[in-house]
Amino acid sequence: AQKITQTQPGMFVQEKEAVTLDCTYDTSDPSYGLFWYKQPSSGEMIFLIYQGSYDQQNATEGRYSLNFQKARKSANLVISASQLGDSAMYFCAMRSGGSSNTGKLIFGQGTTLQVKP
Amino acid sequence: DGGITQSPKYLFRKEGQNVTLSCEQNLNHDAMYWYRQDPGQGLRLIYYSQIVNDFQKGDIAEGYSVSREKKESFPLTVTSAQKNPTAFYLCASSVRGANTGELFFGEGSRLTVL
Repeated sequence: AQKITQTQPGMFVQEKEAVTLDCTYDTSDPSYGLFWYKQPSSGEMIFLIYQGSYDQQNATEGRYSLNFQKARKSANLVISASQLGDSAMYFCAMRSGGSSNTGKLIFGQGTTLQVKP
Repeated sequence: DGGITQSPKYLFRKEGQNVTLSCEQNLNHDAMYWYRQDPGQGLRLIYYSQIVNDFQKGDIAEGYSVSREKKESFPLTVTSAQKNPTAFYLCASSVRGANTGELFFGEGSRLTVL
């Protein structure tokens, strides 16, 4: 069965410090994609970063990077130089199925990040 | 601006009533999705549709119904058969078969059953 696990319900980080949000996944498909989304208190889901299972390099988008360790089935999100506006809930998600994929994502339980001034 | 519009943003319903949540997109995306989110929880898939006039059940379809008569629209009806309908509902769309295939989300509809 496909599954996403986020083991940190809540995290604190000091402003300007880096923080790592953990995500592990389980799938038997060789082709899959991993996503991170940010959900502020307003509720909308904001796409942050994507990593494909065959990508050789870790994905980066500005202050966001994805630490992809395929053998360990982990896809941790690293946020560098945290800002107060980074306070939100963060979700790891997975799409699997390769070319036959339906596009649907399964989500983890989320991690609430609070940035302290 | 291109995007996904969900309405209403807040909705109150009495027990036993059906309600319909609207989702409209002007991104020209083929695929559309409905997710449910409970407080402090992740998103769970209710229904999804990859093309017009076709849709499939997700993980928690019981008590819900959808239609996809137009590419732009994917309304969700929460029926009286749904035992615990109070939740935050998110509609999303994506480009079918895209390499990354990230979902684009609306701002959500918060349903409260009184």
